[in-house]
Amino acid sequence: KAGVTQTPRYLIKTRGQQVTLSCSPISGHRSVSWYQQTPGQGLQFLFEYFSETQRNKGNFPGRFSGRQFSNSRSEMNVSTLELGDSALYLCASSSGQIHGQETQYFGPGTRLLVL
Amino acid sequence: GESVGLHLPTLSVQEGDNSIINCAYSNSASDYFIWYKQESGKGPQFIIDIRSNMDKRQGQRVTVLLNKTVKHLSLQIAATQPGDSAVYFCAENMEETGGSYIPTFGRGTSLIVHP
Repeated sequence: KAGVTQTPRYLIKTRGQQVTLSCSPISGHRSVSWYQQTPGQGLQFLFEYFSETQRNKGNFPGRFSGRQFSNSRSEMNVSTLELGDSALYLCASSSGQIHGQETQYFGPGTRLLVL
Repeated sequence: GESVGLHLPTLSVQEGDNSIINCAYSNSASDYFIWYKQESGKGPQFIIDIRSNMDKRQGQRVTVLLNKTVKHLSLQIAATQPGDSAVYFCAENMEETGGSYIPTFGRGTSLIVHP
């Protein structure tokens, strides 16, 4: 089975721009979660989508949004980028059948640099 | 909000020794705990998990211990190998009002294995 894939792997943007990141989960997985990883704050949960609906949401501003398509692929969008948004953005998938208590499989991440 | 913390940021061991990585968690309502390994340039990789109704769980060369009395989690790696060198994260999932789960991660411990 192919693992979780994320595109692009690297991205450079300037302040004020917006960005869209993409995640393809493991085949058959219906849950996709997004995380932000920075040296200062560590790994932080952004949101989770299951069956095209946002099921959980972390403590991030409304500039961070996401969506999930019928094939379970997910995108996250960050609008009005700030320097502090520079981070590794990780996507993880799981079957979604046991809410909150099942193994998540992470992708390699998208490294975003905001100048 | 409450957070998960790690006692040691860096742990250096000799190849063949046993390693113990510790984690303190704050939220007594958390009911699911996970250990992840993250190698440089890669996303976190699931190692082992434990539910709050257990106090010990064993995998291949790894054991997780959960002490709910003092809210402490540990990961033991037997016969540590150079390939075990990575950053290790603990994470907790807590069910919030409405049935949502918010995963919270520790800051990570860097394990360095010397040949």
